[in-house]
Amino acid sequence: DIQMTQSPSSLSASVGDRVTITCRASQSISSYLNWYQQKPGKAPKLLIYAASSLQSGVPSRFSGSGSGTDFTLTISSLQPEDFATYFCQQSYTTPRTFGQGTKLEIK
Amino acid sequence: QVQLQQWGAGLLKPSETLSLTCAVYGGSFSGYYWSWIRQPPGKGLEWIGKINHSGSTNYNPSLKSRVTISIDASKNQFSLKLSSVTAADTAVYYCARETRGQVVVVAANWWYNWFDPWGQGTLVTVSS
Repeated sequence: DIQMTQSPSSLSASVGDRVTITCRASQSISSYLNWYQQKPGKAPKLLIYAASSLQSGVPSRFSGSGSGTDFTLTISSLQPEDFATYFCQQSYTTPRTFGQGTKLEIK
Repeated sequence: QVQLQQWGAGLLKPSETLSLTCAVYGGSFSGYYWSWIRQPPGKGLEWIGKINHSGSTNYNPSLKSRVTISIDASKNQFSLKLSSVTAADTAVYYCARETRGQVVVVAANWWYNWFDPWGQGTLVTVSS
């Protein structure tokens, strides 16, 4: 299985901050990387697919980059509704695997 | 707009079989893979497996011996059965559509997959 490792596991930040979350794959996955946002008690919501394509309806302050084994999710200016947990997921092969999550908390 | 609605028993005893169903509303059922994903309380996400409208399946090897995913295309529904459950199977179970789309990368079209939309989730607790 391809292991997905996110860092950091948790992060404290303030409204207006620029935040970057990193995801590393245990082998090259080209651009087959998706990002999701999950709020407590809710299903994950797709933010970014194919490493850098913004899902329709997702604010442009979210962006993704990377290819191969190293990827980043950037939130350019944190808004109150962005405090949540973020997961990366590889779609290069099955079994599909997810990162362990990064919890973004209010400082 | 496609919506997924899921249901099933929320409390099981060890050794019983988990059974969940997911219905798809408002969109095409064919042409996609339909997945089950679970999340133990306070933990990360684990992909269980998927099925397409023709009944072709792909399971996570870690659960393959206990998992059956089936489909009823006439009702736009798909189901999950997980046998011989233990406390380790306690989790929120989600159904999701694996969407496949083309993305232009370096002047060429490539096919990618992602999970969207998701069902609302069902908490399944295994306890004696």
